[in-house]
Amino acid sequence: QSVLTQPPSVSGAPGQRVTISCTGTRSNIGAGSDVHWYQQLPGTAPKVLIYGNSNRPSGVPDRFSGSKSGTSASLAITGLQAEDEADYYCQSFDSSLNAYVVFGGGTKLTVL
Amino acid sequence: QVQLQESGPGLVKPSETLSLTCAVSGYSISSGYYWGWIRQPPGKGLELIGNIYHSGSTYYNPSLKSRVTISVDTSKNQFSLKLTSVTAADTAVYYCARLQDGHYLHWGQGTLVTVSS
Repeated sequence: QSVLTQPPSVSGAPGQRVTISCTGTRSNIGAGSDVHWYQQLPGTAPKVLIYGNSNRPSGVPDRFSGSKSGTSASLAITGLQAEDEADYYCQSFDSSLNAYVVFGGGTKLTVL
Repeated sequence: QVQLQESGPGLVKPSETLSLTCAVSGYSISSGYYWGWIRQPPGKGLELIGNIYHSGSTYYNPSLKSRVTISVDTSKNQFSLKLTSVTAADTAVYYCARLQDGHYLHWGQGTLVTVSS
């Protein structure tokens, strides 16, 4: 059971917009901790897609965007492309029980 | 350019100790940042094992704390993981990574460790 909750899967057709939610609690996202998003292509290490809730590292297309509100965060992908098919993870910090870095369970994005 | 590379045995017997090393290039560990170990069981999600600061201070995932030791060797610019009393549940791809501004920007390629007799 992950501390941060994500839907197991989402899907969309090429060109469409999809969103992936990341739900936390008052001890992590709701406490003001930043949310970060990673993309993991099959057989590769995770790669930062969004950091600090809504910032994109250089090289990440502006089709990817992040937002945060209350105890939740979202990753939005517009203009869906076949190469976006991957697993996506959210990550934050948790202050309860001295927990620290916490990850969501991951969401598998399927491009139809 | 910061690069991390994991190394260690790919097969460990149950009840034994898993030992991995992460060699860092392109940046001196002694200059700062937290350095972490993260694992991913086959077909499952990411789990933090722990982080270590260049000074040696550590944070361990509470669920693994009794079995984990992370250490740093600044002279070799590397940090290491030891996980004792392993079981099949510890079979996973183990990643090392650098924590900065709250997220892991730089990752190693990962190494699969299988626990089996």
